[in-house]
Amino acid sequence: QVRLQESGPGLVKPSETLSLICNVTGGSINSYYWSWIRQPPGKGLEWIGSIHYSGTVNYTPSLESRLTISVDTSKNQFSLKLRSVTAADTAVYYCAREVYTAMGNHLDYWGQGNLVTVSS
Amino acid sequence: DIQMTQSPSSLSASVGDRVTITCRASQSISGYLNWYQQKPGKAPNLLIYAASILPNGVPSRFSGSGFGTDFTLTISSLQPEDSAIYYCQQSYSPLWYTFGQGTKVEIK
Repeated sequence: QVRLQESGPGLVKPSETLSLICNVTGGSINSYYWSWIRQPPGKGLEWIGSIHYSGTVNYTPSLESRLTISVDTSKNQFSLKLRSVTAADTAVYYCAREVYTAMGNHLDYWGQGNLVTVSS
Repeated sequence: DIQMTQSPSSLSASVGDRVTITCRASQSISGYLNWYQQKPGKAPNLLIYAASILPNGVPSRFSGSGFGTDFTLTISSLQPEDSAIYYCQQSYSPLWYTFGQGTKVEIK
């Protein structure tokens, strides 16, 4: 059974960098894309970006200038860095596995989520 | 980018009722549409992919249909454990994906 677990600080100061790691167990990080999704408190889901195990990345345009997603296949994990954060970046951050099929892509395994609050 | 609009935003129905949620895309997305169920305090769970395919383990009372711009999620006989928020998501645009705003389903 594939499991994903986010880890990182729950509190980040404004203008600093939000850093999260997603550890993948029960399966290899190879052969898949891996995504980050966030959800502000009481609001809907926002896809942030994804990375292939080879390192190819896709970012949502609204965050691209502040965002870096990377992968470490030796540790079976991938990470998110969001720079210059503001209160608007306060959200639960989820990592998820992205499956590519001929009929489109979908997110089949999700982490439990990591609440990150941006506040001084 | 492709906008996804769900309706209604919320609904209340009784156990055993047939429930339908609609998702409309701002442009054609072929059949590249997924549905997720999210319960309070939990991560979303994949419910349907490619508009109509149920992953293993998803109860058969859930079904999906649609193509192009209009899609529906149907719960044939609502159960108490179906109380949740349901999101559609397009995967047509491979560079970035978008979700609908969600539909909250409550049990009367």
